Amino acid sequence: QKEVEQNSGPLSVPEGAIASLNCTYSDRGSQSFFWYRQYSGKSPELIMFIYSNGDKEDGRFTAQLNKASQYVSLLIRDSQPSDSATYLCAVKWAGGFKTIFGAGTRLFVKA
Amino acid sequence: DAMVIQNPRYQVTQFGKPVTLSCSQTLNHNVMYWYQQKSSQAPKLLFHYYDKDFNNEADTPDNFQSRRPNTSFCFLDIRSPGLGDAAMYLCATSRATGTGGSPLHFGNGTRLTVT
Repeated sequence: QKEVEQNSGPLSVPEGAIASLNCTYSDRGSQSFFWYRQYSGKSPELIMFIYSNGDKEDGRFTAQLNKASQYVSLLIRDSQPSDSATYLCAVKWAGGFKTIFGAGTRLFVKA
Repeated sequence: DAMVIQNPRYQVTQFGKPVTLSCSQTLNHNVMYWYQQKSSQAPKLLFHYYDKDFNNEADTPDNFQSRRPNTSFCFLDIRSPGLGDAAMYLCATSRATGTGGSPLHFGNGTRLTVT
């Protein structure tokens, strides 16, 4: 059973702070890892993906992957109120097209 | 702009009355997916197509069917909707290959209400 686990939150941070979101997954056959942002009532939108161990930075966002620990995280620097949303971690396994999502972490950025 | 379009945005159906949700894409992606998402839950994969090759998830109820008549279109048919089928239905596409695992591109979703 392939599973993706996230802390549901809510995670509350003040404006300008760093928000840290975490995700664990169950299967070492996992290939690619994605972070999506979902505003209430909207569909998910891709923030970034990572598939190699280490860090990947894109603007205010940094994804971190540790395959040995089966752990992926997302850091949001200089958090803004507009970052308030649910952040979904998703994992795609090698050899197929299936992408499994975690239930998401709700983030609130207080102005 | 290339995109994934779902129609309608909101659908109300009666208990037991068949309903069809549609999805079209201009991205020319090989793979199309249908996800069901209930409030505060993870999107749950129902099935996906790789070209015309249909892949059903083991726990997808028989009540849910799908059709993909061509590359651009995919339909979700719910034969006898129950109250528990009320949810947001998300269509997504991806390329079959590519470095980095090919992320999903989502449509705006269809919010299904069952009365």
